[in-house]
Amino acid sequence: AIRLTQSPTSFSASVGDRVTITCRASQVLTNNVAWYQQKPGKAPKLLIYTASTLNTGVPSRFSGSASGTDFTLTISSLQSEDFATYYCQQYNTYPRTFGQGTKVEVK
Amino acid sequence: EVQLVESGGGLVQPGGSLRLSCAASGFTFSSYWMSWVRQSPGRGLEWVANINRDGREKYYVDSVEGRFTISRDNAKNSLSLQMNSLGVEDTAIYYCARDTVGASYYWGQGTLVTVSS
Repeated sequence: AIRLTQSPTSFSASVGDRVTITCRASQVLTNNVAWYQQKPGKAPKLLIYTASTLNTGVPSRFSGSASGTDFTLTISSLQSEDFATYYCQQYNTYPRTFGQGTKVEVK
Repeated sequence: EVQLVESGGGLVQPGGSLRLSCAASGFTFSSYWMSWVRQSPGRGLEWVANINRDGREKYYVDSVEGRFTISRDNAKNSLSLQMNSLGVEDTAIYYCARDTVGASYYWGQGTLVTVSS
């Protein structure tokens, strides 16, 4: 199975900060990678698919990129509603796998 | 509006069985792959299984292969997950999700399965 390693696993940030989360795959993938946001007690919400395509209704401060086996989620200016846990997922091969998650907390 | 409503969760003893259901509405159910994803308490997400539009293709994570069966009834807009030989490691919230181009676009609210004696 393809292993996805997210970094960092958690960190503190302030409103207005530029935030970058990285997801490293254990082998080369196509761009079949998605990013999800999850808030406590809620189901995950799809933010980005095919590594860089923003889902409908997702604010443009979110963006995704890919370089080799590294995939990156960037929030250009963190807002209060963005404090949450973020997961990457690969859907290139079976079994589908998720990263372990990155929790973004209030500084 | 797309809605996915899971049901069937509960408390079951180790070795027992449980059948989860997901009622879909607001979209043409037969046009989409569907998935089950689970999340153990305080842990991350784990993809469990998915099924293609007509139910003929099914894929599973290794840890449930041979114990869980995913199925669908397109006439009833319903997705199911039959879970047998349950172990404590299967304790989790189980989410039903609608897939598009492989990613899970829409998720239900989840149903909690607790495996304990």
